[in-house]
Amino acid sequence: GNSVTQMEGPVTLSEEAFLTINCTYTATGYPSLFWYVQYPGEGLQLLLKATKADDKGSNKGFEATYRKETTSFHLEKGSVQVSDSAVYFCALSEGSNDYKLSFGAGTTVTVRA
Amino acid sequence: DAGVIQSPRHEVTEMGQEVTLRCKPISGHNSLFWYRQTMMRGLELLIYFNNNVPIDDSGMPEDRFSAKMPNASFSTLKIQPSEPRDSAVYFCASSRRAVTGGGETQYFGPGTRLLVL
Repeated sequence: GNSVTQMEGPVTLSEEAFLTINCTYTATGYPSLFWYVQYPGEGLQLLLKATKADDKGSNKGFEATYRKETTSFHLEKGSVQVSDSAVYFCALSEGSNDYKLSFGAGTTVTVRA
Repeated sequence: DAGVIQSPRHEVTEMGQEVTLRCKPISGHNSLFWYRQTMMRGLELLIYFNNNVPIDDSGMPEDRFSAKMPNASFSTLKIQPSEPRDSAVYFCASSRRAVTGGGETQYFGPGTRLLVL
C-alpha cells in the first residue's frame, strides 16, 4: 500500500537558518505529493504540491521537488522565521483511491529568535 | 471567501453521552472528508463523501460512529455512545473534485477538540 515516511522531530532552529525536512514515499503508481502545514490550534493548510515527476512546488519561500528516482519530496527553506514554527506533514494521493491522502507522522519545527 | 467551518470548536462530555460534530464545507466543493487526529495514530481518514454520497467509510472505527451529509453545505459526525478513547481532534475538509480526479487540494477546517471524560 501507499505510505509516507518523514524525518522525526522535533526540529529546533535559529532564525535565518536553513531548514530541510526529508520525506520519502512508497506507492505503486504515480502519486501526487503534498506538504501541509499545521500552525498551533489550527487545521492543516496546503503549503505546496507537485503532481508529476520533476515538478517543483513552491510557496512562502518553501520548495520541494518531486524525485521519482529516489521516491522523495524533501521540503526546504533557505531562511526560516519564527512564524514558520509549526507541524509539517508530507502526504500523497495515488491510484484508484486518489482522493485518499496518506500522511506522514508530521515533523514539529520550532524556530527561535 | 469563508473556509471550512466546524462547530463546536471544543467539546467536553462524559462517557456514554452522544456527541455531534458539524461541518460546513466551502461553497462549490463536492467532496467532504472527516479526519481524526491523535498523538498515537496521527491523522486518520474516517469517511469520504462525494456529491453528498458516502464513498469510503472504511476508516470509521465502529458502529458508534456515524456520518451524514444531507445536502452539499452540511455534514455531521455523530458518536453515540462516546468513550474516553474517542478523545481527539476531529477535522472536516473539503475539495473540488474534477472528473478525472487526483491531485486536488483538500481545505481543512479548524477542527473540533473533543474530550470524553
